Amino acid sequence: DAKTTQPPSMDCAEGRAANLPCNHSTISGNEYVYWYRQIHSQGPQYIIHGLKNNETNEMASLIITEDRKSSTLILPHATLRDTAVYYCIVRALNDYKLSFGAGTTVTVRA
Amino acid sequence: GAVVSQHPSWVICKSGTSVKIECRSLDFQATTMFWYRQFPKQSLMLMATSNEGSKATYEQGVEKDKFLINHASLTLSTLTVTSAHPEDSSFYICSARNPTGTEAFFGQGTRLTVV
Repeated sequence: DAKTTQPPSMDCAEGRAANLPCNHSTISGNEYVYWYRQIHSQGPQYIIHGLKNNETNEMASLIITEDRKSSTLILPHATLRDTAVYYCIVRALNDYKLSFGAGTTVTVRA
Repeated sequence: GAVVSQHPSWVICKSGTSVKIECRSLDFQATTMFWYRQFPKQSLMLMATSNEGSKATYEQGVEKDKFLINHASLTLSTLTVTSAHPEDSSFYICSARNPTGTEAFFGQGTRLTVV
């Protein structure tokens, strides 16, 4: 079973920031928060990951609460190409057997 | 980032025939690869772990004699769906562990339709 809870869907206006929440209240001390996305009919794409500090890369920012029980993925300027299903996954660094939940279907509208 | 490629991207086969799907790591060596299956409007479900030079490890409920996995080299894993039936129609996706990092990289997926 997936260890995370995400809203099933979210709409976002093009050019605006998209904030995707994820709850992972049972996360263990050695588990990281990973985000992937899957554009329709393609394989998942890695976005970002973090342990407890906030992280930023060219695709997104990841904000993790101090108690690590929840996090938010931020797409700073959403484009139509960001329309996808976004998956929040918790895993240990050496665990590559990913357990996917239902994810959040993000629709970016012009 | 690392590149994982699947072939074919889509395939249509007749019921009762076998289909082979290839997963290649193009710019790194992968001792471990993973196979997932995704039915329409559902999430990815892990089927098996493919280990180079040894037998694959299957998840509960996945028939190892129906879904044959071969990982004969450090850059290639194959999944063969034997005696395919319409209920095997699905989107099959592989992933490979990046040996120099912590991400898993995914292939583009193979759409199998059994008629």
